[in-house]
Amino acid sequence: GAVVSQHPSWVICKSGTSVKIECRSLDFQATTMFWYRQFPKQSLMLMATSNEGSKATYEQGVEKDKFLINHASLTLSTLTVTSAHPEDSSFYICSARRRDSGFFGPGTRLTVL
Amino acid sequence: AQTVTQSQPEMSVQEAETVTLSCTYDTSENNYYLFWYKQPPSRQMILVIRQEAYKQQNATENRFSVNFQKAAKSFSLKISDSQLGDTAMYFCAFMKHGSQAGTALIFGKGTTLSVSS
Repeated sequence: GAVVSQHPSWVICKSGTSVKIECRSLDFQATTMFWYRQFPKQSLMLMATSNEGSKATYEQGVEKDKFLINHASLTLSTLTVTSAHPEDSSFYICSARRRDSGFFGPGTRLTVL
Repeated sequence: AQTVTQSQPEMSVQEAETVTLSCTYDTSENNYYLFWYKQPPSRQMILVIRQEAYKQQNATENRFSVNFQKAAKSFSLKISDSQLGDTAMYFCAFMKHGSQAGTALIFGKGTTLSVSS
């Protein structure tokens, strides 16, 4: 398989603040990473595709100014939730593709108070 | 656009028994991959099994096997000799084939499987 890490695993923040989540591919290079959002007992919803060295591609309905994505290197993508509000509370998961399979980070639980 | 449908929100099985989870999908693509992922209470997504659409032989991984029916666009997962550790949410997923690194996985809504002793 392939190893994908995510940090932090859990974050609590106050409404109006920004939170950055990091996703790293530890043993392979990923030109593309994917960010998903998951509500309890629901499926994973694709938010955006993160491309190394270029702009991210956002799914319909996802605010690109709220969910800033930066893919600065072949092993690191970051998702910044700007001016977070309680409705942004969710579980965020990143993924990278290697050898035609998708591998996932352990996820980040975001709670906005 | 591709869609993945899992029609069983919840399933239960006794330890050591066999259970089958259903999945259907819709696509106009001819070459693609299908997957089953497991998400235990830790919420870490774990790849269970992968099937390449151009291969007729059904994939198997130890106690896990699939029944892939390309014409019917059906992709079911069979778990044999169920174990307590198999308790998890299972997601069926679709991905386009090829060197398109920018192609994401598309997921079904999931099936919650409970294994009891």
